[in-house]
Amino acid sequence: SQELEQSPQSLIVQEGKNLTINCTSSKTLYGLYWYKQKYGEGLIFLMMLQKGGEEKSHEKITAKLDEKKQQSSLHITASQPSHAGIYLCGADRLSGGGADGLTFGKGTHLIIQP
Amino acid sequence: NAGVTQTPKFRVLKTGQSMTLLCAQDMNHEYMYWYRQDPGMGLRLIHYSVGEGTTAKGEVPDGYNVSRLKKQNFLLGLESAAPSQTSVYFCASRLGTGELFFGEGSRLTVL
Repeated sequence: SQELEQSPQSLIVQEGKNLTINCTSSKTLYGLYWYKQKYGEGLIFLMMLQKGGEEKSHEKITAKLDEKKQQSSLHITASQPSHAGIYLCGADRLSGGGADGLTFGKGTHLIIQP
Repeated sequence: NAGVTQTPKFRVLKTGQSMTLLCAQDMNHEYMYWYRQDPGMGLRLIHYSVGEGTTAKGEVPDGYNVSRLKKQNFLLGLESAAPSQTSVYFCASRLGTGELFFGEGSRLTVL
């Protein structure tokens, strides 16, 4: 089964600073998804990446998938308190189809210090 | 739009009791999933369904049963609850490929 390793496990960043979270897979990623979770709440979808070298941005968050499709990064520019939470990467459990859902990394806890 | 709705949101059980978590989605999605989230373990797939009347095992299915009698509903049952089943349970649905839509979670404590 596919395993996703996220790093770092936790991150404390001063407001206004940039940060990067990584997600690494032991196998080729056929679909890579980034979610954000506020403490005690559900998961909010951020972005999906499918093609090697793909990059997507939304507001101050940019996600990239490397050419080999085994690693993804999530970069936040000029962090704000609203960025605090748990960031999870997920990947399709099997190639294509999508029926059997996603497998997830253990998450990165992000704290923004004022 | 309601999206994915889970009930109840909180529940406390004694060891050996049974209960059912209900997940309802109003997006006409074919695929539905139950995950559990535990500290240090991330999200793990319990069971899933690819359509009405179908169910399949995920990574951690033991101690749980599921049913999908209607396309919009996916039920997760615990026949004899154990303290190890204390967790936050999330239901999700998906049209095909593309993102999963998650409910807000159900926090279960087994004493």
